[in-house]
Amino acid sequence: QVQLQQSGPGLVKPSQTLSLTCAISGDSVSSNSAAWNWIRQSPSRGLEWLGRTYYKSKWYNNYAVSVKSRITINPDTSKNQFSLQLNSVTPDDTAVYYCARDIDWHDYWGQGTLVTVSS
Amino acid sequence: QSVLTQPPSASETPGRRVTISCSGSRSNIGRNSVNWYQQFPGTAPKLLISNNSQRPSGVPDRFSGSKSGTSASLAISGLQSEDEADYYCSAWDASLNGWVFGGGTKLTVL
Repeated sequence: QVQLQQSGPGLVKPSQTLSLTCAISGDSVSSNSAAWNWIRQSPSRGLEWLGRTYYKSKWYNNYAVSVKSRITINPDTSKNQFSLQLNSVTPDDTAVYYCARDIDWHDYWGQGTLVTVSS
Repeated sequence: QSVLTQPPSASETPGRRVTISCSGSRSNIGRNSVNWYQQFPGTAPKLLISNNSQRPSGVPDRFSGSKSGTSASLAISGLQSEDEADYYCSAWDASLNGWVFGGGTKLTVL
């Protein structure tokens, strides 16, 4: 059974960097058959895919156009986890952030982290 | 504005059948399979239908999915009060090179 456990602060100041981590159990971040995603949800934006990382002989990333200039998703093979960094946040980045496994569909999700951007 | 279009709400009485539509384009639903998710307040979305019409283990056969061209549908038969939730469609978009979601449909069981 795959489990995804999210961690990270729930409050970030405007212009700073949002950082979250998703620890994986029951699978490997280096799996050749899965990708590891970050998705957020807010009343104004609904469900919004942010990006993913995956390994197929080498590491790849895909990022949403809306955040491409501000986002980094990194795998950490030593800890079997992956992280999200979103730079220069504004109040519009306030949302519940989810990590999720993607095997052509998102079958396992983290518990969600409400991140509020406020001074 | 979401890339995939869903009706914001739907309602039906217990025991009846309801369908939720999801409209996209050639770059997403027209080229790739559609997945459906069910979400209750305060919880993460749960995979309901994958690959247009496949039910993961544990999902009742009252839930079914279909796709035609650039549209897809989720049908729920024998409606039960516990089906009251938000439902989202999703597909990979080849032009955007990323996942896209519908805006969600809030289902009310009257």
